[in-house]
Amino acid sequence: ETGVTQSPTHLIKTRGQQVTLRCSSQSGHNTVSWYQQALGQGPQFIFQYYREEENGRGNFPPRFSGLQFPNYSSELNVNALELDDSALYLCASSLYVGADTQYFGPGTRLTVL
Amino acid sequence: EDKVVQSPLSLVVHEGDTVTLNCSYEVTNFRSLLWYKQEKKAPTFLFMLTSSGIEKKSGRLSSILDKKELFSILNITATQTGDSAIYLCAGVGEYGNKLVFGAGTILRVKS
Repeated sequence: ETGVTQSPTHLIKTRGQQVTLRCSSQSGHNTVSWYQQALGQGPQFIFQYYREEENGRGNFPPRFSGLQFPNYSSELNVNALELDDSALYLCASSLYVGADTQYFGPGTRLTVL
Repeated sequence: EDKVVQSPLSLVVHEGDTVTLNCSYEVTNFRSLLWYKQEKKAPTFLFMLTSSGIEKKSGRLSSILDKKELFSILNITATQTGDSAIYLCAGVGEYGNKLVFGAGTILRVKS
């Protein structure tokens, strides 16, 4: 059974640029969620995708957007990067929509200069 | 707004000690509480608790939920250096689509 994978591992961008992060869900899981974890804090929910549609969103501005593909993989896009966007971005998958337990990938460390 | 608070923020113990980590929550239409261990990057799932008073155990780790007082504890007995990590708890509300995390407890076990 393949776990959640994310790419890239690390990324350095400058303010104003755009970034795309990728996630492959665990085998058999159809729901993907994204979280932002700033240094010293717990992960903060960005949004969740199920059947290629957004299924809930946290308190993040519209420049954070996402996609889910028919194979359940997902992308997180962030436009007009700000310094405060520097964080670890975690993707999590769950077996079905509404399942409480989410399984996390290793994350992408984004640094915005 | 939903909120989860963990305590202590950090602690240092010696191998063999027993530790208790605390998690209090205010989550609308609460459904469950989850514990995760985060060593480098990926939080790994430990327990899901939904019923009050029923202890979940896995080896030296155990956890219990009190839905009346809105808190959970995670116990680790006979700690080992490999237990050094950040321990996160998260509450799940009605729709189950988001986990509301606390800031975590940083545990360091010294040999």
